[in-house]
Amino acid sequence: DIQMTQSPSSLSASVGDRVTITCRTSQSIRSHLNWYQRNPGKAPKLLIYGASSLQSGVPSRFSGSGSGTDFTLSISSLQPEDFATYYCQQSYSTPYTFGQGTKLEIK
Amino acid sequence: QVQLQESGPGLVKPSETLSLTCTVSGGSMSSYYWSWIRQPPGKGLEWIGYIYFSGTTNYNPSLQSRITISVDTSKNEFSLKLSSVTAADTAVYYCARPRSCSGTTCFDVWGQGTTVTVSS
Repeated sequence: DIQMTQSPSSLSASVGDRVTITCRTSQSIRSHLNWYQRNPGKAPKLLIYGASSLQSGVPSRFSGSGSGTDFTLSISSLQPEDFATYYCQQSYSTPYTFGQGTKLEIK
Repeated sequence: QVQLQESGPGLVKPSETLSLTCTVSGGSMSSYYWSWIRQPPGKGLEWIGYIYFSGTTNYNPSLQSRITISVDTSKNEFSLKLSSVTAADTAVYYCARPRSCSGTTCFDVWGQGTTVTVSS
């Protein structure tokens, strides 16, 4: 299985800040990397697919980059609704695997 | 817009079979894959497996011996059965739709999740 290492596990930031979350894979997955946002009690939401493509309807303050084994999710100018947990997921091969999550909290 | 809703018992006894159903509304199941994902308390998300609308399946090898995913397109639903459960199977179970996203696979629609506890 492809192992996913996501960091940090938690992050405190303020509204208006820019934050970056990192995901590293145990082998090259080219650009087969997706990012999701999950708020408590809500369905997870696809943000970024293919490492850098923005899902329809997702605000442009979200962006993704990377290829191979190192990927990042950036959120520019944090909004109150962005405080949630974020997960990366590889779709290069089955079994699909996810990062452990990054909980983004209000400072 | 396609929506997914999980349903099933919230409490299952050890050694018994966990059974969940995901109802698909707002769209057809045809030509799509359908998947189950879970998250045990304090742990990460784990992909369980998927089924194509025609019935072809792909399971996580770590669970393969215990799981069955089936589909009933006439009812617009698909199901998960996990046998011989233990406390380690306690989790929030999500159904989700994997689809082709510009050359890769992404889960673009998710249910809200249902909590299943394994306890006597």
